Amino acid sequence: DQQVKQNSPSLSVQEGRISILNCDYTNSMFDYFLWYKKYPAEGPTFLISISSIKDKNEDGRFTVFLNKSAKHLSLHIVPSQPGDSAVYFCATTRTYKYIFGTGTRLKVLA
Amino acid sequence: EAQVTQNPRYLITVTGKKLTVTCSQNMNHEYMSWYRQDPGLGLRQIYYSMNVEVTDKGDVPEGYKVSRKEKRNFPLILESPSPNQTSLYFCASSSRGGGSSYNEQFFGPGTRLTVL
Repeated sequence: DQQVKQNSPSLSVQEGRISILNCDYTNSMFDYFLWYKKYPAEGPTFLISISSIKDKNEDGRFTVFLNKSAKHLSLHIVPSQPGDSAVYFCATTRTYKYIFGTGTRLKVLA
Repeated sequence: EAQVTQNPRYLITVTGKKLTVTCSQNMNHEYMSWYRQDPGLGLRQIYYSMNVEVTDKGDVPEGYKVSRKEKRNFPLILESPSPNQTSLYFCASSSRGGGSSYNEQFFGPGTRLTVL
């Protein structure tokens, strides 16, 4: 029972364009929605979060959108840079428990 | 430097031979957690600890044990490893767990475990 789904295993985007990564969830009882980025041979690093009561949060080139009616989360990266090439995990959290998606591998082409 | 360290980084062992993966953080974080990463399954939470002597199960706790006797350390114990526990393991810590406000988790570099 995958409560958090990332249906696109990979995505390729040209440098300078927008990258949009998507995530769907099934359970509405989460407090926060998160995005983590992972480079090979390293642990994941936190990127951005959004509270369940908000619908948008921005941090520089990164914007996260939360559509509660559709149970959909998306991450927009504008403009995309080659250094953004990594695996991106969406995640949710409620009361100390975390559920991560399966990840989307983003490749930004120079 | 603020960090989460894990040891060993790589381990090959045989079925049934007890092992411990250590995790230590120097940020005085209350919350610590263990995850495993498998192809096609993403990161799955094994156990977490809200503070010293307080632990609870994540989504995939079977075959694992943890203890939290000190704030900085959170070892993962495999009493009788099996091949299906071959995976990449990550330890993480944060100043507080999920809930009323979000504090980011800091992850260790990972431990790649192979059980033959």
